[in-house]
Amino acid sequence: NAGVTQTPKFQVLKTGQSMTLQCAQDMNHEYMSWYRQDPGMGLRLIHYSVGAGITDQGEVPNGYNVSRSTTEDFPLRLLSAAPSQTSVYFCASSYGDYSNQPQHFGDGTRLSIL
Amino acid sequence: RKEVEQDPGPFNVPEGATVAFNCTYSNSASQSFFWYRQDCRKEPKLLMSVYSSGNEDGRFTAQLNRASQYISLLIRDSKLSDSATYLCVVNTPGGYNKLIFGAGTRLAVHP
Repeated sequence: NAGVTQTPKFQVLKTGQSMTLQCAQDMNHEYMSWYRQDPGMGLRLIHYSVGAGITDQGEVPNGYNVSRSTTEDFPLRLLSAAPSQTSVYFCASSYGDYSNQPQHFGDGTRLSIL
Repeated sequence: RKEVEQDPGPFNVPEGATVAFNCTYSNSASQSFFWYRQDCRKEPKLLMSVYSSGNEDGRFTAQLNRASQYISLLIRDSKLSDSATYLCVVNTPGGYNKLIFGAGTRLAVHP
């Protein structure tokens, strides 16, 4: 009963490094998304996908890339890490048109950029 | 103005107390509303959806006031286990719906 799985749980990077945050779900959900959460702010949408092969930008997409080659996986790539990207990242999925569907979140990835 | 605004708290209440949180939203066309709960350093989890007529789930009651563009969450008979941050979530219509999260209201229930 895995749900949404995120790896890694913690990561420290140096400025300029790149990395990929992994997200996988086993619920056959069409919709997947990435959020970042910073102190004093709500979760902000980075990118989302409404199905395999379809992605779009959210509120704060700069510095991040995504792809969706399968229904299950939705990795988030940091192209050149910056200290401003220090945050907690959550991946979420939901079934179909999620306006009335609960979002299922992964445990989060705590990322520090030095 | 933020799209979804919440009082950050903290609300410090004794066990057994009744506590209420409000949340205001700016987009009058929003159609879906939710309360999520987030424990410290954990992922958000859906607490309840908010329906136009108001709805109740055990000790929790959610209300929607479209005219004033706010939603509320009432918790009765507070338990220590209710200590958490409560996130107000509103959809933004137009194109594919996107959810906007409030920054959260922190609740601390003490013995």
